[in-house]
Amino acid sequence: EPEVTQTPSHQVTQMGQEVILRCVPISNHLYFYWYRQILGQKVEFLVSFYNNEISEKSEIFDDQFSVERPDGSNFTLKIRSTKLEDSAMYFCASRRLAGGRSSTDTQYFGPGTRLTVL
Amino acid sequence: GEDVEQSLFLSVREGDSSVINCTYTDSSSTYLYWYKQEPGAGLQLLTYIFSNMDMKQDQRLTVLLNKKDKHLSLRIADTQTGDSAIYFCAESLRNTGFQKLVFGTGTRLLVSP
Repeated sequence: EPEVTQTPSHQVTQMGQEVILRCVPISNHLYFYWYRQILGQKVEFLVSFYNNEISEKSEIFDDQFSVERPDGSNFTLKIRSTKLEDSAMYFCASRRLAGGRSSTDTQYFGPGTRLTVL
Repeated sequence: GEDVEQSLFLSVREGDSSVINCTYTDSSSTYLYWYKQEPGAGLQLLTYIFSNMDMKQDQRLTVLLNKKDKHLSLRIADTQTGDSAIYFCAESLRNTGFQKLVFGTGTRLLVSP
């Protein structure tokens, strides 16, 4: 069964460094998402991406964050200058269709990347 | 605004039924989901229900929706130790094109032998 994959599983970085989290969505999916979960807190939406552009983003997704689909398979989240409070589990998700009649299409999540900022 | 709340912890014995509850605040038409998260793993979709439905059953899982009270529950029949995990309730909203998911805090289910 196709699945969303994420690398690395754990990333440790120094405050102020740039990190890139990588995701490979399910191959025929068109919508891509990033969520994060700070330890002990809710899973929070960061951004959705469709047709090579951001379709929605949350207040968390400030100028320090960016997303990219550099090729036909990868979807990346970049944090330019990490802060201590960026430490969290970051989940990538993908969805086959864009909504409307196909709104029952659900988001499939990857296993997550645990980011630790020291 | 959007807010989804769940109780934090539930403990049951193997073979019993588990009922995990969730409340949400947004009244716009919505899909409601249950995801399961095992230790070290991602979020696995278990089931979903649209807000014009009252109930959905899928093998050992029964979802009940009380739209008036904005209350959603997940019942797991004949709970097994392998069901021990964190269960997240989530909603997606019509006014966001059903795009983003708003998650609850998660309920940690512990099943003892």
